[in-house]
Amino acid sequence: DVKVTQSSRYLVKRTGEKVFLECVQDMDHENMFWYRQDPGLGLRLIYFSYDVKMKEKGDIPEGYSVSREKKERFSLILESASTNQTSMYLCASSFPTGGSEQYFGPGTRLTVT
Amino acid sequence: DAKTTQPTSMDCAEGRAANLPCNHSTISGNEYVYWYRQIHSQGPQYIIHGLKNNETNEMASLIITEDRKSSTLILPHATLRDTAVYYCIVSSDMGRRALTFGSGTRLQVQP
Repeated sequence: DVKVTQSSRYLVKRTGEKVFLECVQDMDHENMFWYRQDPGLGLRLIYFSYDVKMKEKGDIPEGYSVSREKKERFSLILESASTNQTSMYLCASSFPTGGSEQYFGPGTRLTVT
Repeated sequence: DAKTTQPTSMDCAEGRAANLPCNHSTISGNEYVYWYRQIHSQGPQYIIHGLKNNETNEMASLIITEDRKSSTLILPHATLRDTAVYYCIVSSDMGRRALTFGSGTRLQVQP
């Protein structure tokens, strides 16, 4: 059974804190994604990684960074959390071929106060 | 990626088959049809995908018309836990590109 796990389901942080969100997949996927999902705005890609230590910016990378030191793990870092980063954060992974599907984790609902 | 059109909402009785349609009249030859669903406050769940042939897995069946301009997702015996928003997506490159959901179909399974 395919599995993408995220470190927390719910998280509450204060403005200015450094926040780490972790994602682990057990499917040996090369590609991993971080999205945020907000009502009325749909899914938006923050960062994409296609290999260990490789990354590409998505549509909304400002205020975020990522780390991929191992193939199975992709971390999202909020350098200094702000209230406008309150959101549902979703991690996904896939094989790099055109007909592949993305598998998602359960999501982390982050609230920044 | 080709645009898709789905009904806004549908109801289905528990235990009956749920048939969710999707139009994708501008689909290209190398684009796959994917179905995902999202239950409230949870991550999206992959259901099934196909290119030309009909597909079946443990969750659902996907029927693609011969001209590939439309498809139907079939949940053979809907349960209350199938209540969710269902998204039909057409893509040739989902493994390497950002996934974008449209507005989807809100399926309500009634007891």
